[in-house]
Amino acid sequence: KAGVTQTPRYLIKTRGQQVTLSCSPISGHRSVSWYQQTPGQGLQFLFEYFSETQRNKGNFPGRFSGRQFSNSRSEMNVSTLELGDSALYLCASSPLAGVTDTQYFGPGTRLTVL
Amino acid sequence: AQSVTQLDSHVSVSEGTPVLLRCNYSSSYSPSLFWYVQHPNKGLQLLLKYTSAATLVKGINGFEAEFKKSETSFHLTKPSAHMSDAAEYFCVVSDSGGGSYIPTFGRGTSLIVHP
Repeated sequence: KAGVTQTPRYLIKTRGQQVTLSCSPISGHRSVSWYQQTPGQGLQFLFEYFSETQRNKGNFPGRFSGRQFSNSRSEMNVSTLELGDSALYLCASSPLAGVTDTQYFGPGTRLTVL
Repeated sequence: AQSVTQLDSHVSVSEGTPVLLRCNYSSSYSPSLFWYVQHPNKGLQLLLKYTSAATLVKGINGFEAEFKKSETSFHLTKPSAHMSDAAEYFCVVSDSGGGSYIPTFGRGTSLIVHP
């Protein structure tokens, strides 16, 4: 089976712009979670989607949003980008239980905000 | 609220010697605990997890961890380090506080393995 794929792998944006990141889970997995990884804050949970519904949400502002499609693929959107949004964004998929079960991580999208 | 503390930001060992990566947690509920490993330029990979079954959990690549409720610890060990074990290790706690499972990651421990 193919692993979790994330596109694009690298992205450079300027402040005020918006960005959309994409994640394709492992075939058959219905749960997709998103994380932000920075040197200062470490790894932080953004949100989890299951069957097109947001099931869990971390403590991030409303500029961060996501959605999941019927084929389980997920997108994450960040509007009005700030310098502090520069980070590695990781997507993880799991068959059912999401954050309480084994998660399979993608390689991440490296976002740089100038 | 749940929290997790990885007691060492860096651990340095020689190849063939034991590895100990320390993790303490705080949770008001019955937690699930995980260890993940992140190699450079790669995604995180699950090493092992505890979800209220056996307190001694065996994982991949010879790693194991013991859940000690009285000490609120979940330390990761390996009898003999290999060069390929050099990576960043994350301890994760997740509980059902507030009715939703939201994982909290430790800040990570960088394992350095010397030949």
